[in-house]
Amino acid sequence: GENVEQHPSTLSVQEGDSAVIKCTYSDSASNYFPWYKQELGKRPQLIIDIRSNVGEKKDQRIAVTLNKTAKHFSLHITETQPEDSAVYFCAASVSSGGYQKVTFGTGTKLQVIP
Amino acid sequence: DTGVSQDPRHKITKRGQNVTFRCDPISEHNRLYWYRQTLGQGPEFLTYFQNEAQLEKSRLLSDRFSAERPKGSFSTLEIQRTEQGDSAMYLCASIGLGETQYFGPGTRLLVL
Repeated sequence: GENVEQHPSTLSVQEGDSAVIKCTYSDSASNYFPWYKQELGKRPQLIIDIRSNVGEKKDQRIAVTLNKTAKHFSLHITETQPEDSAVYFCAASVSSGGYQKVTFGTGTKLQVIP
Repeated sequence: DTGVSQDPRHKITKRGQNVTFRCDPISEHNRLYWYRQTLGQGPEFLTYFQNEAQLEKSRLLSDRFSAERPKGSFSTLEIQRTEQGDSAMYLCASIGLGETQYFGPGTRLLVL
């Protein structure tokens, strides 16, 4: 089955600096890669996603890159703010007949220091 | 608020008791997932419904777990004879036409 590894497990940055979280996956059939932000005690919320036919996607301060050959994808947050502090999960997904098999990474706890 | 609701939000039970959780997805979403999340881990897939049909089940879903989605609307997840290892957050998510999963707030279960 799919295996998704995520690094680092914790990340501390100064406010205004950039943060980068990296994930690798094992199943070459994976074709959809969402990123979720989860604040303490709350539900995971989608922040950005990328499909396998795209190499990069950007939404304001957040960007995601995908290297299908190397089977890795990364989340980049620029100009970090204290409200970016949360746990971030990457995921890799394979779609088959409407069923989307999603495998999540183990999460990165991001702390933005004011 | 994503529009997905779960009830109850918290449940404390004694080992050996049965518990049932409910998920109400976004009304037009025909696909529904249940996940389990333990502290420090990402959500782990439990089971998947397309309308009322349960099409996929994880090996994590032992015989003590059962899920239903009558009429393809709300879904229930029941755990029989709970064990301490069942303590976790149980999340449901629904999907409409695209690929985005919208998560509910979760039910946090503590088995004493």
